[in-house]
Amino acid sequence: QVQLVESGGGLVKPGGSLRLSCAASGFSFSDYYLSWIRQAPGKGLEWISYISSTGTNTYYADSVKGRFTMSRDNAKNSLNLQMNSLRAEDTAVYYCARLRDSNTWYDGFDIWGQGTMVTVSS
Amino acid sequence: DIVMTQSPDSLAVSLGERATINCKSSQSLFFSSNNKNYLAWYQQKPGQPPKLLIYWASTRESGVPDRFSGSGSGTDFTLTISSLQAEDVAIYFCQQYYGTPSFGQGTKVEFK
Repeated sequence: QVQLVESGGGLVKPGGSLRLSCAASGFSFSDYYLSWIRQAPGKGLEWISYISSTGTNTYYADSVKGRFTMSRDNAKNSLNLQMNSLRAEDTAVYYCARLRDSNTWYDGFDIWGQGTMVTVSS
Repeated sequence: DIVMTQSPDSLAVSLGERATINCKSSQSLFFSSNNKNYLAWYQQKPGQPPKLLIYWASTRESGVPDRFSGSGSGTDFTLTISSLQAEDVAIYFCQQYYGTPSFGQGTKVEFK
């Protein structure tokens, strides 16, 4: 079935780095734009990044710009988020999500992974 | 940035009764060239990711029960659950995709 599965979360000290991955299956991965969205414990949802279907274009929220880098490998049906200079406020569940309509930023997110928890604490 | 504000923050409804959630955006989400409102609604249950219910403000996602409906245009939108069922207890979020995506703060729907 159509599925996204995140991995790579964990506990990291402030200033540290972490790399999240998202494995896709059940759909034509290379046709879709993808995003990372996070949710701090007990809080709302925050979009943090987009990547185009080819990986050529990426966009980031101001809160992570310059610290996080999103990439994809269409041959491996995988998505990555490299997170550097982590802060306590980056503590959240990180979800990868698919844009509903292929080849556009402008749509809702129809497929979500189960999420991976990132905790930034000394 | 577009700010999304939902009301109320929480809502207690009896089984079988109507639930109405409002969402207001800080600027219009209507794009006149395609006559669409760039708004989605999601349902999130504890320990689960959000689930897409509605997109383009009023189009129900495949498999979503027809008791869920979305309405509104411009800056004011509504999600209505026509007859609350046990499985509808959840937090509901609106999201705009007219600009860089942003979400409302969520509305918790509980049983009265």
